Amino acid sequence: NAGVTQTPKFQVLKTGQSMTLQCAQDMNHNSMYWYRQDPGMGLRLIYYSASEGTTDKGEVPNGYNVSRLNKREFSLRLESAAPSQTSVYFCASSSLDQIRGEQFFGPGTRLTVL
Amino acid sequence: AQKITQTQPGMFVQEKEAVTLDCTYDTSDPSYGLFWYKQPSSGEMIFLIYQGSYDQQNATEGRYSLNFQKARKSANLVISASQLGDSAMYFCAMNRRPGGFKTIFGAGTRLFVKA
Repeated sequence: NAGVTQTPKFQVLKTGQSMTLQCAQDMNHNSMYWYRQDPGMGLRLIYYSASEGTTDKGEVPNGYNVSRLNKREFSLRLESAAPSQTSVYFCASSSLDQIRGEQFFGPGTRLTVL
Repeated sequence: AQKITQTQPGMFVQEKEAVTLDCTYDTSDPSYGLFWYKQPSSGEMIFLIYQGSYDQQNATEGRYSLNFQKARKSANLVISASQLGDSAMYFCAMNRRPGGFKTIFGAGTRLFVKA
C-alpha cells in the first residue's frame, strides 16, 4: 500500500518549457488535490478534483492545467514554465466518506524554473 | 473568505515539556473543520488531528490535543511530553464542512525540541 506517489521528485526546467507532474493514489479516494508550497508560506491549492471526471480551480490556478485520468491518477501540467512557478508541489487525496476528510499527501516534487 | 493565522514563526520547547502552537481563523461558514498537519524536515505532510466546528468536545489524538475556543476563533494545538522527533513545521488548516474541498493553510510554526 504505497499511499500517494508523485513523479518526478526533482525537476529543473528552463523558462518556457513544459512538463507534467504525475500523481497516483491507491487508497480508493474520491478526491484529489494539487498544492504548491513556497518558502515561508503554507500550502496553496492549485486545482482539485472532487471526484472522477470533475476538476475545479483552487486559489492559484493560473499557469496550470490538470487532468483526472481515472480514479487513481491526477496530473498537473505546466504549459510554459515561469520562474514564479519554482516551488514544491504536493499532491493529496481524501475520502469524503469519512467525517474528518483529512488529506493524505505525496512526498512532493521540487521544481526549479531557471 | 476564510483565513488562517499562525503568529509564531518559531517555538522552542524542552524535551518532555508541553507546548502550545497558536492558530486563529476567520470564516463565514456556519460549519467547518479544523486540521493540524506536521511537516518534518524530510518534507512529507502528516495529518495529526481534526476538530469539527460542531463537535462538543475538544479533539485528542495520543499526545496531541486541540484547544478549540469557537467564540475566540482559535484552534491551538497542544503537544504533551515533547519528544525530539516532534521538531518539525506545524500547519493549521481549515475547510468548509461538508464538501470542503478548498482547504486553506496557515503559514506554519517551526517547533524546535531541545534535549
